[in-house]
Amino acid sequence: GAGVSQSPSNKVTEKGKDVELRCDPISGHTALYWYRQSLGQGLEFLIYFQGNSAPDKSGLPSDRFSAERTGGSVSTLTIQRTQQEDSAVYLCASSLDSRVIQETQYFGPGTRLLVL
Amino acid sequence: QQQVKQSPQSLIVQKGGISIINCAYENTAFDYFPWYQQFPGKGPALLIAIRPDVSEKKEGRFTISFNKSAKQFSLHIMDSQPGDSATYFCAASPVLTDSWGKLQFGAGTQVVVTP
Repeated sequence: GAGVSQSPSNKVTEKGKDVELRCDPISGHTALYWYRQSLGQGLEFLIYFQGNSAPDKSGLPSDRFSAERTGGSVSTLTIQRTQQEDSAVYLCASSLDSRVIQETQYFGPGTRLLVL
Repeated sequence: QQQVKQSPQSLIVQKGGISIINCAYENTAFDYFPWYQQFPGKGPALLIAIRPDVSEKKEGRFTISFNKSAKQFSLHIMDSQPGDSATYFCAASPVLTDSWGKLQFGAGTQVVVTP
């Protein structure tokens, strides 16, 4: 596709349920990033992948959060036993290569998660 | 804790006026400073970026000013237009090899340009 795509665009779930959020990066981009944007807040870094490996997982808020990337392309962010404080917009971005400092990160439209 | 502090939270400017957004940081390892523009319902998009080896960068109506000694940088939007109404985020990225892509964002500034 022409840009980063994310699905679903909106997700409403009940507290305690697990959710999976999907990101399709721009074709050929080896780096993929996950951020979280809470209402009225800036973007909070969660995790990034270079290829299939995740050099930095330091931003994951708790062990309920995990992410994987297979085939150097699609990534899935999983939140287990969701809590109301997990409600936010989850943004995915990709870039050609995370090891190049000025590489532009291109963002998807986000998944809006609401935990009831 | 927020590693990049951004102000103001919001600002209203008349069409044709100048919008100024300021950011400050503490981490001297930061080596790349992009600004992102976000419209409602959309993901952020890169607007303009600067490295610390220059003090100013201009692209069209958008200018970044960078003060390395003060660890501050700002975005100026000249001749502001209603289409510039959006949320603007400053960000910074460290030079450490394993963290080059790890952008630290400010809290954002909502800009409203009135006709």
